[in-house]
This record gives sequence, structure tokens and C-alpha cells, in this order.
Amino acid sequence: AQSVTQPDIHITVSEGASLELRCNYSYGATPYLFWYVQSPGQGLQLLLKYFSGDTLVQGIKGFEAEFKRSQSSFNLRKPSVHWSDAAEYFCAVRLGYSSASKIIFGSGTRLSIRP
Amino acid sequence: DAGVIQSPRHEVTEMGQEVTLRCKPISGHDYLFWYRQTMMRGLELLIYFNNNVPIDDSGMPEDRFSAKMPNASFSTLKIQPSEPRDSAVYFCASSLVLRGREDGAFFGQGTRLTVV
Repeated sequence: AQSVTQPDIHITVSEGASLELRCNYSYGATPYLFWYVQSPGQGLQLLLKYFSGDTLVQGIKGFEAEFKRSQSSFNLRKPSVHWSDAAEYFCAVRLGYSSASKIIFGSGTRLSIRP
Repeated sequence: DAGVIQSPRHEVTEMGQEVTLRCKPISGHDYLFWYRQTMMRGLELLIYFNNNVPIDDSGMPEDRFSAKMPNASFSTLKIQPSEPRDSAVYFCASSLVLRGREDGAFFGQGTRLTVV
């Protein structure tokens, strides 16, 4: 079945430390891939996306993600986190390229920042 | 563009009442999604439309839930009758797929529904 897996429910890192959030997908072809961030009480904001080309994509707020086809992964990274990065992060995939193509989300990873 | 606009932002209703959630997608977008977010189940896709046509409603939990998109600028999600287990945050999102590319789904601020 098509799915998106975020294996880490909650991660705590120190301010200034590097960050990597994991995402794996299960799909027969290369999907469109996205990372979103959600602050408490807010909607989801798109951080970055991948659909073809360079497998390392840059996003907003200093985030980047790398698509690895061999591992079916699309991990999110940031070299140095800030306290304002504390939020919930969701990986998402769009399955398919026709009109019958939906976007499904992983279960999310909550990021806490240690002062 | 003002982004995806949802109304109301908060809704408290009694069990058994009808609830209607509204969404105005970003102008020009051809996909519209309705999601439900709860602590237990995360973000669930309920239904999505392409060019105002419902494509997949397999995520709609029960017949009590229905969604319409009468035109490109408006969609509703209705729950009738509502039950306490429907309490959640409901998000509407829209996206545009153009020549095989898309910029991702843009989300509204959500409607927090509480059924008592």
C-alpha cells in the first residue's frame, strides 16, 4: 500500500545543533515529495518540494532535503536550529500524476529545541 | 491572493446538529483537499476534487459526511448529524498542477470543531 512513514514521533535538539528528520515512502514510482511545518494552532506551511532534477532541494527558513531513490527516503535537514524551529513537521507525497493523484501525509515529527 | 480561506475558525455544536465548514481555495488552483487532524489519527485525507469534480472520497468516514464543490471558488464539508467523535481540526488545502509540475498544497488556517 502507498504510505509515508516518519519514524520519529518526537525529537529534541539543542539550539544551534544540526537536525535531520526522517521520511520514507512506499510507492511504485517517484512521487512528488514535500515537507511542511505546523506551528501550534496554525495551518501547514510548505517548506520545500521535490519532483525531479537535483536530488538536494533547498527550502525556506534554511531547511534542505535530499531525495534518495535507493532508500525511498526524503530526509529534512538543517545545519543549525533556532528556538523558533520548534514545531510539528510533516512529510507528504503526491501519488501519481493524473487527475486522480492525492497528497498523503506522514504522522508527523514534533521538534523541541533545548535552550 | 489571500490564500486559502476557511470559515468558521472555531465551531462548537451540540451532538446531532448539522455542521457546515466552508472553504475558498486560492484563485486558479485546480485541486482542493479536505483533511481532518486529530491527535490519535494525525492528518487524514477525507476527499479531494479536481476541477470541481470529486475524485476520491474514500477517506470520508461515514455517510454523515458529505462535501461539495459547486464552483471553482467554493467548497463545503457538511456533517449531519454531528457526533462528539467528529471533534477535530478540519483543513482545506488547494494546489495547482501545471504542465506536470506543482508547488504543493496550500493550507487554510483550519476549522476547530468541537461537538459536545
